Parts: sequence; structure tokens; C-alpha cells
Amino acid sequence: AQTVTQSQPEMSVQEAETVTLSCTYDTSENNYYLFWYKQPPSRQMILVIRQEAYKQQNATENRFSVNFQKAAKSFSLKISDSQLGDTAMYFCAFMNARLNRDDKIIFGKGTRLHILP
Amino acid sequence: DGGITQSPKYLFRKEGQNVTLSCEQNLNHDAMYWYRQDPGQGLRLIYYSQIVNDFQKGDIAEGYSVSREKKESFPLTVTSAQKNPTAFYLCASSIYLGRDNEQFFGPGTRLTVL
Repeated sequence: AQTVTQSQPEMSVQEAETVTLSCTYDTSENNYYLFWYKQPPSRQMILVIRQEAYKQQNATENRFSVNFQKAAKSFSLKISDSQLGDTAMYFCAFMNARLNRDDKIIFGKGTRLHILP
Repeated sequence: DGGITQSPKYLFRKEGQNVTLSCEQNLNHDAMYWYRQDPGQGLRLIYYSQIVNDFQKGDIAEGYSVSREKKESFPLTVTSAQKNPTAFYLCASSIYLGRDNEQFFGPGTRLTVL
């Protein structure tokens, strides 16, 4: 069974600094998708970024970028020039690329990120 | 505006009572999901549905039931058989099950059983 591990339960950084959130996963599949979701204090879940396993290029979305290491099964999220609005719980998630009705997104337990003024 | 609505935002019930949480979407999505979120546990899948009149158990379906009579609606009933129902419940939808489809989430319902 696939698993997703986020080893940092909580982190704090100063505003404008760069922070990296770690995520590792375990799977025997070769093709899959990886996601980072953000849950701010309002608790509304928002997709931050996604990565397709067959793409070697790391995904970027403005200040958010990932470091995808397929062989190491690692998928870290880097937030550059962090802002107070980045304070949130961040979830790493995995999904198989097979079109199987039993496939679903598997979430990690989350990393709570505090951006300090 | 397109999106997912969950109501109510906060719900209080007495122990032993069944309670139904509402989830409606107007995104024309085929797939819908229910998650439970507890502190330190992340999101755990309760039930999901790919099409109308069809649904599958997730990882923690015991004590819960769902229906999918309409594409737009996927209500979740928390029954008295659920031993620890107090939690935050999130509903989500995606265009269809599988692939890299983004899941869109509702604002959630906080259920407290007294």
C-alpha cells in the first residue's frame, strides 16, 4: 500500500525567508501524481502545486516550487520569500495514475507552518 | 459562483443520535469524496462516489453512510455506531475519479457530539 510521510509536524520561519517542507512516499508504481495542498486557519483546502511522476522538470507556481526526486521517492515543497499569508497546514498527497475505481488520493499527516513577522 | 458548499459550519448533537452532513457542488463534477480530519491524523477518506447511485467505502467507513441520488449532492450520515464522531468533516469533488484531477474542497463542517 502507498504511504505518504511528512516528517516535520511543525515549522516556523521569519517573513521573507525561504522554507522547505519535506515529504517522502512509498509506492511500487512507476506513474503517479503528487500534490501539495494548503489549509490556512480558515480550514479551506487549496491546491498549491502538482507534479506528474513522468515529468522530470520540477513544477513551479510563483513562489512555490518542488524538488521531485523520483528515485529517492521524495517530494519537497519550497516556499520562497515567505509571506504571513503562507501560515497554514500543508499536506503532501499521492495518487496513482492508473484509471482504477479503487485509486484515491492518499494524504500525509501535514506540516503546520508558521510565518513570523 | 461555482464551488462546493457544506452546511452547517458547526453542528452539535447528542450522543446516540444520527446526524446528516450536507455537501452540494455546482461544478458538474462526477466524483465526490468525504474526509475526516482529526488533529495529527491528516485527512482520512470515509466514502467516495464516482457516479450517481454508486459509492465506495474509504479507509474509515464504519459508522458512516452516504447516498448519491443526484450528481450535485453527496450527504454523509454519521450514525450512532460511529464510536468517536467528533471531528472536522471535509467534502471534496473532482471532474472524475482518478488521473491528476484536482480535488476541490468545501469549507468543512465541525461536528461535536456531546
